Amino acid sequence: DAEITQSPRHKITETGRQVTLACHQTWNHNNMFWYRQDLGHGLRLIHYSYGVQDTNKGEVSDGYSVSRSNTEDLPLTLESAASSQTSVYFCASSRGLVPDTQYFGPGTRLTVL
Amino acid sequence: GNSVTQMEGPVTLSEEAFLTINCTYTATGYPSLFWYVQYPGEGLQLLLKATKADDKGSNKGFEATYRKETTSFHLEKGSVQVSDSAVYFCALNLEIQGAQKLVFGQGTRLTINP
Repeated sequence: DAEITQSPRHKITETGRQVTLACHQTWNHNNMFWYRQDLGHGLRLIHYSYGVQDTNKGEVSDGYSVSRSNTEDLPLTLESAASSQTSVYFCASSRGLVPDTQYFGPGTRLTVL
Repeated sequence: GNSVTQMEGPVTLSEEAFLTINCTYTATGYPSLFWYVQYPGEGLQLLLKATKADDKGSNKGFEATYRKETTSFHLEKGSVQVSDSAVYFCALNLEIQGAQKLVFGQGTRLTINP
């Protein structure tokens, strides 16, 4: 079955370190998204991509970067982790039809000490 | 701007009670509306959706009707079960300059007691 996976599921790191969270989907979806989930804020969009070599900033993109070298993967990099980036991170993908149903991965819980 | 407002949680009900979770939206265009559900330790799953005014989305006994006049998409279920305990997110989807954007409410945590 097609799916979307994230790794690692849990990560503890230190302030200032670079961290990369992986997202892989096997639906061949053009669109991929990264969100963070924090209490009281719901889900906030970090970055998104509508195809290979396309990346766009979301509402909370500072301190994060993404790259899209193939259809299946959209890794999220925290260049220099900060305690404010402690959160649960969700990756999602969609075909880009109207309306656009997004399919979510299981999430990565990141703790920055 | 575009935004979604959900009723404050948490919501605690007894099994077989009637459920309503309110959701209202602000949008510049004509959005599609969604309810997503997040079970403990999992990602979000689409629960139901509606694409135009007066449409009713339904799934697993849950229903929501797209009300353009009140800009609302309230989630209802006639008789909840313990297995419905989860966090529920209302969301709108707009096409802006050819790009699809999904805007979420803050989520409502629902707990059903046996």
